Amino acid sequence: SSELTQDPAVSVALGQTVRITCQGDSLRSYYASWYQQKPGQAPVLVIYGKNNRPSGIPDRFSGSSSGNTASLTITGAQAEDEADYYCNSRDSSGNPQFVFGTGTKVTVL
Amino acid sequence: QVTLRESGPALVKPTQTLTLTCTFSGFSLSTSGMCVSWIRQPPGKALEWLALIDWDDDKYYSTSLKTRLTISKDTSKNQVVLTMTNMDPVDTATYYCARIGRAAEFDPWGQGTLVTVSS
Repeated sequence: SSELTQDPAVSVALGQTVRITCQGDSLRSYYASWYQQKPGQAPVLVIYGKNNRPSGIPDRFSGSSSGNTASLTITGAQAEDEADYYCNSRDSSGNPQFVFGTGTKVTVL
Repeated sequence: QVTLRESGPALVKPTQTLTLTCTFSGFSLSTSGMCVSWIRQPPGKALEWLALIDWDDDKYYSTSLKTRLTISKDTSKNQVVLTMTNMDPVDTATYYCARIGRAAEFDPWGQGTLVTVSS
């Protein structure tokens, strides 16, 4: 099955821009979705498809993809963006199976 | 408004079978294209995809866990049930259910239910 690899942790100064990456073979065929998870809470979808934001997600969140790498960018990070972020996509096996990334802890300084 | 809620035992003993229920509202699992999935997260660790069931009653499982998992649905009750056999302490985790959208996105998620495996 596929794997999706993320950097364990990144930090960003308040108001600055941070990019979180997700690498895996499945991303050559499928878009990644991105989820924000705060302590003790369920994950929340922030980006899906080519670069779509669900209703209620601020436009400072954006997504992109190139080759085997998907990226989530937070432009003008806010204190409330401090959280764990996970990517996921369909598995590259061709069956409707899924895989989640290893997760990135974002700290807003 | 779409909502999902997980329910089941908080504590199971090793070797027992776990049964979890996802009760949802705001959509019908008999509608073409609809899917519901189960995901788990051990304490302090990453999310792990477990299984999904679609509107046509097709079922798909994690390759590593497929021998232990069974997913089913009761469309009339708006419920999806996951069973996991031969539970082990390493299966201690928060178990979530989520709807899968047409772009393969998981949205929304239930609040999750913590299952502890201990004798």
